[in-house]
Amino acid sequence: ILNVEQSPQSLHVQEGDSTNFTCSFPSSNFYALHWYRWETAKSPEALFVMTLNGDEKKKGRISATLNTKEGYSYLYIKGSQPEDSATYLCAFINNAGNMLTFGGGTRLMVKP
Amino acid sequence: DAEITQSPRHKITETGRQVTLACHQTWNHNNMFWYRQDLGHGLRLIHYSYGVQDTNKGEVSDGYSVSRSNTEDLPLTLESAASSQTSVYFCASSASGATGEQFFGPGTRLTVL
Repeated sequence: ILNVEQSPQSLHVQEGDSTNFTCSFPSSNFYALHWYRWETAKSPEALFVMTLNGDEKKKGRISATLNTKEGYSYLYIKGSQPEDSATYLCAFINNAGNMLTFGGGTRLMVKP
Repeated sequence: DAEITQSPRHKITETGRQVTLACHQTWNHNNMFWYRQDLGHGLRLIHYSYGVQDTNKGEVSDGYSVSRSNTEDLPLTLESAASSQTSVYFCASSASGATGEQFFGPGTRLTVL
């Protein structure tokens, strides 16, 4: 079982604050890292799929970076809005297989 | 529009009963997955399939089985439901390859009494 950890577990910010959280994964045999956004009462939706060390992806106010050598990825949200409130999941795949191993998620709550 | 659906959305059953949860996708994806979501554990993989007639065990496969007779469907069967299998179950699909993002169904909430 691969160890994928996310921190913090939960985060409360004010509208307009920028925030970031971390996904840690095994640095050996890296293949890909996924980020998903999961709103309450809905299904997870993909944000990014990252495969290369140093990769940076951006979608609107959300961006992510990847460091495969040290085994971490950061997700940044610039100018948080209440609609950003959700759980953000990362998931790791190593080159031994095609199964995603999910972290426990970071629950973000943005107060108006 | 392509989609992935699950049925039923809610199910209450009794210990020892056999239960089958349906998953149907119209993305024409080769890969399909079943996860369960529990407090404190996030999403854990139960079974997955990379194509017709292919099935593989995931992290928490004991007490569950799947079959893949066509591209669109991957039903999940609980052979003899146990209270520990009370959970929310999500089906997902993705195109071939490990870098394909997964598309998730709406989930099935199963309660085993």
